[in-house]
Amino acid sequence: EADIYQTPRYLVIGTGKKITLECSQTMGHDKMYWYQQDPGMELHLIHYSYGVNSTEKGDLSSESTVSRIRTEHFPLTLESARPSHTSQYLCASCPRDRDSNGYTFGSGTRLTVV
Amino acid sequence: QKEVEQDPGPLSVPEGAIVSLNCTYSNSAFQYFMWYRQYSRKGPELLMYTYSSGNKEDGRFTAQVDKSSKYISLFIRDSQPSDSATYLCAMSAYGNEKLTFGTGTRLTIIP
Repeated sequence: EADIYQTPRYLVIGTGKKITLECSQTMGHDKMYWYQQDPGMELHLIHYSYGVNSTEKGDLSSESTVSRIRTEHFPLTLESARPSHTSQYLCASCPRDRDSNGYTFGSGTRLTVV
Repeated sequence: QKEVEQDPGPLSVPEGAIVSLNCTYSNSAFQYFMWYRQYSRKGPELLMYTYSSGNKEDGRFTAQVDKSSKYISLFIRDSQPSDSATYLCAMSAYGNEKLTFGTGTRLTIIP
């Protein structure tokens, strides 16, 4: 049973709309990550957080923003969706100083912008 | 050059075969190594975790690390159709360092 939840699982939305992808974890993990993954392609880190009120941009430039007001919640927002944002978005988490033990991933949100 | 290289495949093998999946890396500081399995339309799930060099076995799965060659492998014995998935390697140098992922190898086991 997954302890990290992403909603919605699938989203089809029109260009220019504002969207928020939700990610919540019940494990009390300090670290949370957002990855973007296109079909058959590698994971690209777009945002991460090491705790409440801490957010950083990842290796891949993204027009999205994130917030971390509560430990368990790490939403990702796109102010104005574009077709180039079509992708799968994966959220992950791990305890502080335990990246080496691996991440727990959510099931992902598959976003299609038309 | 990427820090972690992984053949994207696709790789198709008959049921019951032994599968070998591999990653090479360039950062000699890496000492924590992981293999993830990702089914279609799902998030990756941690399959195996090893520290430093050596072998680790879990059922039909064996993870192998050769730090001298900067090469890691995942072996799947008696492969089953349910093993059909994308397999990603991941690694880090320190306990608190973000993971570096390979591109993933797509594997299909043919009944």
